[in-house]
Amino acid sequence: DARVTQTPRHKVTEMGQEVTMRCQPILGHNTVFWYRQTMMQGLELLAYFRNRAPLDDSGMPKDRFSAEMPDATLATLKIQPSEPRDSAVYFCASGPPGLAGRTQYFGPGTRLTVL
Amino acid sequence: RKEVEQDPGPFNVPEGATVAFNCTYSNSASQSFFWYRQDCRKEPKLLMSVYSSGNEDGRFTAQLNRASQYISLLIRDSKLSDSATYLCVVTRPGGADGLTFGKGTHLIIQP
Repeated sequence: DARVTQTPRHKVTEMGQEVTMRCQPILGHNTVFWYRQTMMQGLELLAYFRNRAPLDDSGMPKDRFSAEMPDATLATLKIQPSEPRDSAVYFCASGPPGLAGRTQYFGPGTRLTVL
Repeated sequence: RKEVEQDPGPFNVPEGATVAFNCTYSNSASQSFFWYRQDCRKEPKLLMSVYSSGNEDGRFTAQLNRASQYISLLIRDSKLSDSATYLCVVTRPGGADGLTFGKGTHLIIQP
């Protein structure tokens, strides 16, 4: 049963520290998304990649957030420096070629708390 | 106006009852529509797609009204296991990938 995996599942850190979240998409999926979920805003798209190329990161605060796909099996989302308002659940999702606009599978999320 | 709006609930419904909720979306150029289900502290999972002609999957029926920009979900003979948050989702217009989510409607099925 193919799944998107994310690490770490939980992260507690102090303000100002760097946070790196990792995602392994489902094998064969060529589109990877990063979403953030908070009680206030709900689920928001931060950025996405197709064939490892960044296509849209307009939802991401540029000054502190960065997203990369060093290879087809790994996507990373980094926050530096982290702030308390970054506390949220960060979900990675992947989609198959040609269908990613319609079919996305979510990972279990990284629950981030910034103190 | 929010892109996708839903009544957050909670909807408290007795087991076996029929429950319906809906959402509205703001961008008339949106092309695809879905209901996702999210259990507490879990990831969202696709429940069903929504079409203008209606879509039925067992006890679940989804309907799209493009003229009113309105999407509905009907659950018949509700089960305790239906308790979850139901997210109304639309694809972004212009062919962009990525989904726009409503904040969800919280459903509680009571025994």
